[in-house]
Amino acid sequence: DAGITQSPRHKVTETGTPVTLRCHQTENHRYMYWYRQDPGHGLRLIHYSYGVKDTDKGEVSDGYSVSRSKTEDFLLTLESATSSQTSVYFCAISHTTDTGELFFGEGSRLTVL
Amino acid sequence: AQSVAQPEDQVNVAEGNPLTVKCTYSVSGNPYLFWYVQYPNRGLQFLLKYITGDNLVKGSYGFEAEFNKSQTSFHLKKPSALVSDSALYFCAVRLTSGGSYIPTFGRGTSLIVHP
Repeated sequence: DAGITQSPRHKVTETGTPVTLRCHQTENHRYMYWYRQDPGHGLRLIHYSYGVKDTDKGEVSDGYSVSRSKTEDFLLTLESATSSQTSVYFCAISHTTDTGELFFGEGSRLTVL
Repeated sequence: AQSVAQPEDQVNVAEGNPLTVKCTYSVSGNPYLFWYVQYPNRGLQFLLKYITGDNLVKGSYGFEAEFNKSQTSFHLKKPSALVSDSALYFCAVRLTSGGSYIPTFGRGTSLIVHP
């Protein structure tokens, strides 16, 4: 299995609180992605990174920010969590942007009360 | 507009029968197509991909997929289904956006294999 760890794996928080999810990889892959998975929507891209300090928005980026200060770490922050951000969040990595497959972490289940 | 679609939310098949999970796409240029599988409470796992070459691609766990350019389809197939194949299957395509390739997923198809 690809070396990807997500933390925390489970979190319950209250509306309005900040939340940070961490993705750590040991594969030295350049590209990293954050997706959310919701029933009926499949996986939707939140943000992605194509290198240290290089990030861009995905399809559902509102309410989320990211940072990548090191190759191995990609952080997803919810500045002020809302109930609509209750979801399962997946981090993925890839060594190429076009033809390479993605390797996924085990997911972080976030519940916002 | 560029997109990927999985027209079936659920596919039911009896163990031992062949299975097909459908995927269609709409992209500009050459399509880079992928299939992933997700077991309960796990992340997605890569099954196979089509980049170029032979239209029939073989992948993990006995799965294969057929690329059909004229029908813009990339259906996942297996000659003989197992109960353990029951899972959520995602088709994905690399869509171009502002010079970048964005991995984009279909909504997923739940495959249920009955004993």
